[in-house]
Amino acid sequence: GAVVSQHPSWVICKSGTSVKIECRSLDFQATTMFWYRQFPKQSLMLMATSNEGSKATYEQGVEKDKFLINHASLTLSTLTVTSAHPEDSSFYICSGGQGQNYGYTFGSGTRLTVV
Amino acid sequence: GNSVTQMEGPVTLSEEAFLTINCTYTATGYPSLFWYVQYPGEGLQLLLKATKADDKGSNKGFEATYRKETTSFHLEKGSVQVSDSAVYFCALSVNTGNQFYFGTGTSLTVIP
Repeated sequence: GAVVSQHPSWVICKSGTSVKIECRSLDFQATTMFWYRQFPKQSLMLMATSNEGSKATYEQGVEKDKFLINHASLTLSTLTVTSAHPEDSSFYICSGGQGQNYGYTFGSGTRLTVV
Repeated sequence: GNSVTQMEGPVTLSEEAFLTINCTYTATGYPSLFWYVQYPGEGLQLLLKATKADDKGSNKGFEATYRKETTSFHLEKGSVQVSDSAVYFCALSVNTGNQFYFGTGTSLTVIP
């Protein structure tokens, strides 16, 4: 079946540094990638939607200059958390697919801790 | 708006016990409803889904019925196993681009 490989699975970084999270679709072409974030004891919340070759669409309240999304190819999308702060510590997960009729596949998630 | 309210955990059950995880939703339009499961160290996996009222989704002994009148999609299993220990997420999706709205997740631990 369709697999989305997400890495790293966990990362610890210092405040002020940047962290890149990658999601690769291994056996299909992901025309759309969703990026979600989950704070402790809260729901997974959509951060942004990206379509291959175009700029990402960010949800209200998500800083596009802080959370840089690149979806330059049909098999790779990246989320870069720039100038990370402790409040960015969260669980980030991607979901990729080919459109409504084909379903979407989730990555395994990345636990980010900023110290 | 669209939202999902899910029973809080954690839930701890003995093997072969009956499981219910409650899920209710609000939605604009006519949503599809899902249960996803996340085993330790793995991504979210689709467990079951239902796309219209009174549909029953089922998989691996789990089932849930789309109840429009009560806006609910409760997950049930008659006899849980240790291997069912995971986090379970209730979710809905409306037609606009397949964005998902998730509940907070319920952690289930099944003890022998």
